[in-house]
Amino acid sequence: GAVVSQHPSWVICKSGTSVKIECRSLDFQATTMFWYRQFPKQSLMLMATSNEGSKATYEQGVEKDKFLINHASLTLSTLTVTSAHPEDSSFYICSARELAGGPSTGELFFGEGSRLTVL
Amino acid sequence: AQKVTQAQTEISVVEKEDVTLDCVYETRDTTYYLFWYKQPPSGELVFLIRRNSFDEQNEISGRYSWNFQKSTSSFNFTITASQVVDSAVYFCALSPDYKLSFGAGTTVTVRA
Repeated sequence: GAVVSQHPSWVICKSGTSVKIECRSLDFQATTMFWYRQFPKQSLMLMATSNEGSKATYEQGVEKDKFLINHASLTLSTLTVTSAHPEDSSFYICSARELAGGPSTGELFFGEGSRLTVL
Repeated sequence: AQKVTQAQTEISVVEKEDVTLDCVYETRDTTYYLFWYKQPPSGELVFLIRRNSFDEQNEISGRYSWNFQKSTSSFNFTITASQVVDSAVYFCALSPDYKLSFGAGTTVTVRA
């Protein structure tokens, strides 16, 4: 089955540093990738929609200058948390939708998640 | 606007009991998808089912079954003969276009 891989799985960083999280579709091309954030014992909240070759669309309340999203190819989207602070500590999960016409057309696949801890 | 309500925060059962998780949704879209995901303690989301709004047939997959009732905007999930490995957080989600709106989740604890 289709696989979406996130890297790193977990990261600890100092306050004020920037952290980049990668989301890769390993065996399919993804027109669209989505980034979610999940605080401890809470639900997942959509942060932004990333489309290959164009600017990401951010949900209301999500700071686009804080959470930089780049979708440079059909298999890779990156989320960079800039100048991270302890309140940014969270579980970040991406999902990818297969390009229309692929074997799993339109199916949505989730990465394993990346746990960020900012000290 | 999309909204998903999972009224049950936590459910605790003894192994072999059946457990039903409720999911009620709100949407103005006529075409949409409903999902159920399982999130074990490790954190990854495990896909369980996707249902198109035009398909109201109930579905059974092993010990899992789903009851979709459009008239009441509900998409309930039942685990039959629960097992300890079923312990996890279960999320119901709604989407017209693959941007998922998740419910708050129901934590299921199955005791041996």
